[in-house]
Amino acid sequence: DTAVSQTPKYLVTQMGNDKSIKCEQNLGHDTMYWYKQDSKKFLKIMFSYNNKELIINETVPNRFSPKSPDKAHLNLHINSLELGDSAVYFCASSHSPRGGNEQFFGPGTRLTVL
Amino acid sequence: AQKVTQAQTEISVVEKEDVTLDCVYETRDTTYYLFWYKQPPSGELVFLIRRNSFDEQNEISGRYSWNFQKSTSSFNFTITASQVVDSAVYFCALMNYFGNEKLTFGTGTRLTIIP
Repeated sequence: DTAVSQTPKYLVTQMGNDKSIKCEQNLGHDTMYWYKQDSKKFLKIMFSYNNKELIINETVPNRFSPKSPDKAHLNLHINSLELGDSAVYFCASSHSPRGGNEQFFGPGTRLTVL
Repeated sequence: AQKVTQAQTEISVVEKEDVTLDCVYETRDTTYYLFWYKQPPSGELVFLIRRNSFDEQNEISGRYSWNFQKSTSSFNFTITASQVVDSAVYFCALMNYFGNEKLTFGTGTRLTIIP
């Protein structure tokens, strides 16, 4: 029944490792997003995909690579993890990217890099 | 460039008091949308309201009300008769119509309701 789901919920890993976070939505939306929330609770968009096409790519290090196999899934792969990558990562989805549609957020994935 | 300012970092009120959370935004666009989201201690982000720039009518939903004033670029949120369950971080956000649905968030206001 979960509208936007993310796995895993918690991820603890060593510096230098590669990890992935998965996101799935069952709302029938065609646009999905990744946001990063830092330790001060500041939320910032990273990427957005519409129908599997990248439409927003903020100034994110290229160690971060989103992948959208279909419009219901948007995964985030991170290479060579650094301490500064520790944050909560939120996936979100909405209807087509016009019209100020509200975005529905997943529960978040807390990534801790040691 | 667009910006959202939530000047109140933390607010504490005693239960049943009314509280207003301030939000001031900056944008050069004439068409835009404003949002409020709630992030309770459990961590998820909950959508509360969306307003478009053409609709300055205030909105009330139960104990929640929103005051949108284009003249002062503000979109304030009032909780009436606050309850402990209202304790959360509240985010105001801005989206420009031609901005590919990018949400620009404020820094959030942490609201604590004291029983």
